[in-house]
Amino acid sequence: AQSVTQPDIHITVSEGASLELRCNYSYGATPYLFWYVQSPGQGLQLLLKYFSGDTLVQGIKGFEAEFKRSQSSFNLRKPSVHWSDAAEYFCAVGTGNQFYFGTGTSLTVIP
Amino acid sequence: DAGVIQSPRHEVTEMGQEVTLRCKPISGHDYLFWYRQTMMRGLELLIYFNNNVPIDDSGMPEDRFSAKMPNASFSTLKIQPSEPRDSAVYFCASRISNQPQHFGDGTRLSIL
Repeated sequence: AQSVTQPDIHITVSEGASLELRCNYSYGATPYLFWYVQSPGQGLQLLLKYFSGDTLVQGIKGFEAEFKRSQSSFNLRKPSVHWSDAAEYFCAVGTGNQFYFGTGTSLTVIP
Repeated sequence: DAGVIQSPRHEVTEMGQEVTLRCKPISGHDYLFWYRQTMMRGLELLIYFNNNVPIDDSGMPEDRFSAKMPNASFSTLKIQPSEPRDSAVYFCASRISNQPQHFGDGTRLSIL
C-alpha cells in the first residue's frame, strides 16, 4: 500500500541553525516526490519536486531535498533557517493524479 | 499570474444548511482536485476532474457531498445537508500535464 510517513510532528530550531525534515514513503514504483509548505491560513506552496535524474534537488527559499531509493526517503534540508520558515511542511508522493500526503511537520523557529 | 482562486475564504453556517465552495483553477490547467484537510486525517483527496470530467470520486465521504465542473474555469463542491463533522479546510488544486499541483488558499468551513 502506498503511504507517506513524516515521523516528526513538530520540530523547533533556532534561527540560523540547520534543518532536516524527514520523509519516508512506501510506493510500488518509483514515484514522483514533492515537498510543500503551508503557512497559516494559506494553501500549499510547492518547495521542490523530484521526477528523475539527479537525486539532490534544489527548491525555492534555499531548500533542498535528497532522494535515497535504498532508504525510501526524501528528506528536506536547509543549511540556515530563517524566522519566516516557520510553517507546516508536507511531503507528498505519487504519480499522475494520485497523490499521497504525509501528516505534516510543524516547524517553529526561535530567535 | 493568478493562482488557484477559492471562495469564500471562510464559511460559518448552521448544521443542515447547504454549503457551496467555489474554485477557479489556473487558466490552461486541465486537472482540478478537491482536498479536505483536518487535524485527524490530514489531507485527503475528495475528487478530481480532467477536462471537466470527474475521474475519481472515491474520496468523497458520502452522498451529501457533490462536485461539479461546468467549464474549464470553474468548479464547485457542495455539501447538503451539512454536519458539524464536515468542518475542515477545503483546498482546490489544479495542474497541467505532469506538472505539480498548485493549491488555492483554501476555504475554512465551520458547521455549528
